Amino acid sequence: NAGVTQTPKFRVLKTGQSMTLLCAQDMNHEYMYWYRQDPGMGLRLIHYSVGEGTTAKGEVPDGYNVSRLKKQNFLLGLESAAPSQTSVYFCASSFYMDSNQPQHFGDGTRLSIL
Amino acid sequence: AQSVTQPDIHITVSEGASLELRCNYSYGATPYLFWYVQSPGQGLQLLLKYFSGDTLVQGIKGFEAEFKRSQSSFNLRKPSVHWSDAAEYFCAVVLSPGASGGYQKVTFGTGTKLQVIP
Repeated sequence: NAGVTQTPKFRVLKTGQSMTLLCAQDMNHEYMYWYRQDPGMGLRLIHYSVGEGTTAKGEVPDGYNVSRLKKQNFLLGLESAAPSQTSVYFCASSFYMDSNQPQHFGDGTRLSIL
Repeated sequence: AQSVTQPDIHITVSEGASLELRCNYSYGATPYLFWYVQSPGQGLQLLLKYFSGDTLVQGIKGFEAEFKRSQSSFNLRKPSVHWSDAAEYFCAVVLSPGASGGYQKVTFGTGTKLQVIP
């Protein structure tokens, strides 16, 4: 089973460039999330979606935009990349938003902004 | 606001030795508690979870965790560590949408890196 797939796995950008990270899940999950992981800070929620066509801000949304045009895909966009956005980005999905349903994670996208 | 503390940034154990990773949480009620493992270059994989009932929970890969309300702790244990257990481990507190304002809020600890020596 593919589960949660993130593309690309690695990317290097120059300051000011834009890019889109793609997350795809094949588990028919309603809820999807984007996190960033930085050393010594754990994972922090950027944006999330509770279903197709919906998005909402998480804890650290500034500088990012998201879209959920199809249930299986959740896109994270950087309009004008900044060095502070150098991080590892993880997508996750879950079937229900109930607290007892764990989130399933992709393998991450390692993004460097020069 | 809820918080999770993993006081050990890095732990080294010998293969075959026992392991205990510490996790302390701060929350007004009994939270839902998870442990995840992250192997190098991989995403997070759920090891085990606690919601209610028996305070000793069993997970995958031979791991277990014990919830201690009086100590606000949820420590992860394994009786005999294998070299393949080398990874980073994250404790997490999960709030329901009703408690977090509309989404499944997961607060992660900062992680403990486990090194296993032969």
